[in-house]
Amino acid sequence: AQSVTQPDIHITVSEGASLELRCNYSYGATPYLFWYVQSPGQGLQLLLKYFSGDTLVQGIKGFEAEFKRSQSSFNLRKPSVHWSDAAEYFCAVGTTTDSWGKLQFGAGTQVVVTP
Amino acid sequence: GAVVSQHPSWVICKSGTSVKIECRSLDFQATTMFWYRQFPKQSLMLMATSNEGSKATYEQGVEKDKFLINHASLTLSTLTVTSAHPEDSSFYICSARARGRVVGETQYFGPGTRLLVL
Repeated sequence: AQSVTQPDIHITVSEGASLELRCNYSYGATPYLFWYVQSPGQGLQLLLKYFSGDTLVQGIKGFEAEFKRSQSSFNLRKPSVHWSDAAEYFCAVGTTTDSWGKLQFGAGTQVVVTP
Repeated sequence: GAVVSQHPSWVICKSGTSVKIECRSLDFQATTMFWYRQFPKQSLMLMATSNEGSKATYEQGVEKDKFLINHASLTLSTLTVTSAHPEDSSFYICSARARGRVVGETQYFGPGTRLLVL
């Protein structure tokens, strides 16, 4: 069975500093990988996704993520964090074997941005 | 593009009543819609998957008679919480996957509905 792990429950970062959020997955084949962001009381917004091809994926709001098959990871990065990046971030995995495209979500990482 | 709406955004009801939540894909046709439940400070838990014109498929542990799902058209799915109780209070989020897309294509999420049962 597939699984998604986000090792960091909570991260505090200074505004202007770099940010990296970790995501590890367990799946037998190449999964579909997503990063979503959720502001308080809101739904999820897609930041970026990886299906195949270039392992470095660019997303919205200046985010990027790199798929590393050897490490089963899909870490999210941003070079310079803005106060508006404070939110909950979810990594999600989809599989090629599920015909409906169901996703499994990690537990989430809460990002706090300090002045 | 790819906007999903939910209505209502929040609802307060008395215990024992039923509440209907609508999920609409505004600018695309959704073959498949998903319903999630999210508790405070927790991740999303998939409740059920619904395909247009067919019965929903519920995840293990989710009561199908408690959470009625209807996917009547390619742009609308509804979740009805029947005989709601305080333990049903939660944040309910729907998502939609566009028609014709390959398996694994992106799910687009609604803004969520907060339900409080008194």
